[in-house]
Amino acid sequence: AQSVTQPDIHITVSEGASLELRCNYSYGATPYLFWYVQSPGQGLQLLLKYFSGDTLVQGIKGFEAEFKRSQSSFNLRKPSVHWSDAAEYFCAVGADSGGYQKVTFGTGTKLQVIP
Amino acid sequence: GAVVSQHPSWVICKSGTSVKIECRSLDFQATTMFWYRQFPKQSLMLMATSNEGSKATYEQGVEKDKFLINHASLTLSTLTVTSAHPEDSSFYICSAEPSGSADTQYFGPGTRLTVL
Repeated sequence: AQSVTQPDIHITVSEGASLELRCNYSYGATPYLFWYVQSPGQGLQLLLKYFSGDTLVQGIKGFEAEFKRSQSSFNLRKPSVHWSDAAEYFCAVGADSGGYQKVTFGTGTKLQVIP
Repeated sequence: GAVVSQHPSWVICKSGTSVKIECRSLDFQATTMFWYRQFPKQSLMLMATSNEGSKATYEQGVEKDKFLINHASLTLSTLTVTSAHPEDSSFYICSAEPSGSADTQYFGPGTRLTVL
């Protein structure tokens, strides 16, 4: 069974600083990897996803993530954080399960942005 | 595009009553929908996978008689929490996978259930 680890429960960065959120996964085959953001009172929004091909994936809102098979990692990055980026971020891994994807989420990283 | 709605967004009920939560894909058809539960400050836990026209597949430890799922059409799935108790209080989130596209799920905004 697949699993996802997000080692950082809470991260604080200054506005304008760079950001990297860590994600490690465990899955026997080539994984489907996702990053979602959840803002208070709002649903999960997909930031980006990786299925195959280029290991550096560009997403919305200026985010990118890099798939590193050797490290079983899929870290999320942003060069310059904005105050509106404060939210909870979830990494997830999907596995084929009889015609649909079964997605397992990490425990999330809460991002705080200070002026 | 790819909008999923949930209704209600927040419900408060008395212990012992049943509550129905609706999940709709507004601009696409979804053969498969998923129901998750999220406890405060925790991640989403998959409860069940719902396929249109067939019985739902429940994850281990989820009581199928307590959490009734119906996926009667390609745009609607419902979750009924039967005889709700305070420990059922949680945030319930649904997602929908577009028919013919088994790669991305689109999530609803969630329903907060509070059982008194």
